[in-house]
Amino acid sequence: EPEVTQTPSHQVTQMGQEVILRCVPISNHLYFYWYRQILGQKVEFLVSFYNNEISEKSEIFDDQFSVERPDGSNFTLKIRSTKLEDSAMYFCASSEAGGRGYEQYFGPGTRLTVT
Amino acid sequence: RKEVEQDPGPFNVPEGATVAFNCTYSNSASQSFFWYRQDCRKEPKLLMSVYSSGNEDGRFTAQLNRASQYISLLIRDSKLSDSATYLCVVPTDKLIFGTGTRLQVFP
Repeated sequence: EPEVTQTPSHQVTQMGQEVILRCVPISNHLYFYWYRQILGQKVEFLVSFYNNEISEKSEIFDDQFSVERPDGSNFTLKIRSTKLEDSAMYFCASSEAGGRGYEQYFGPGTRLTVT
Repeated sequence: RKEVEQDPGPFNVPEGATVAFNCTYSNSASQSFFWYRQDCRKEPKLLMSVYSSGNEDGRFTAQLNRASQYISLLIRDSKLSDSATYLCVVPTDKLIFGTGTRLQVFP
């Protein structure tokens, strides 16, 4: 069964450093998403991406965040200057199409720890 | 009112028990809903979709009450493997998650 993959599984970085989280969505999917989950809290939407541009972003997704689809398979989330409060699990998701009825398939997540 | 509200639990039930979780949502225009399951430190996985008044899949039944803006998930004959956090999700162009209800099934 096709699945979303993410690397690395765990990233430790120092405050102020840049990190890039990588995702390979399911190959025939067209919509891509990043979510984050701070330990003990709910899953929160960060950004959606379609046709090589951002479709929607949340208030969390400020100028420190960016997304890119550098080739036909990878989808990346960059945090330019990490803060302690960026420590969370980051999930990538993809779906065949956008809109309310389509299931989003989640990757296993990258645990980001900022020290 | 929060967009999606759930009782955080935990619900501790013995094997074989029936347990129900509730969820309320604020957007009366929402047409469909999801229940996702999340195991500890893992990704959310779709358990059930709810498009009309309800849906049943084996031991799991989801019901929707649009007038009250309320969704429920019923699990019958609980198994140890059902222990997880159950997330109520309202899909728009993104997924809006509730905080989740934790279920612990004990022998």
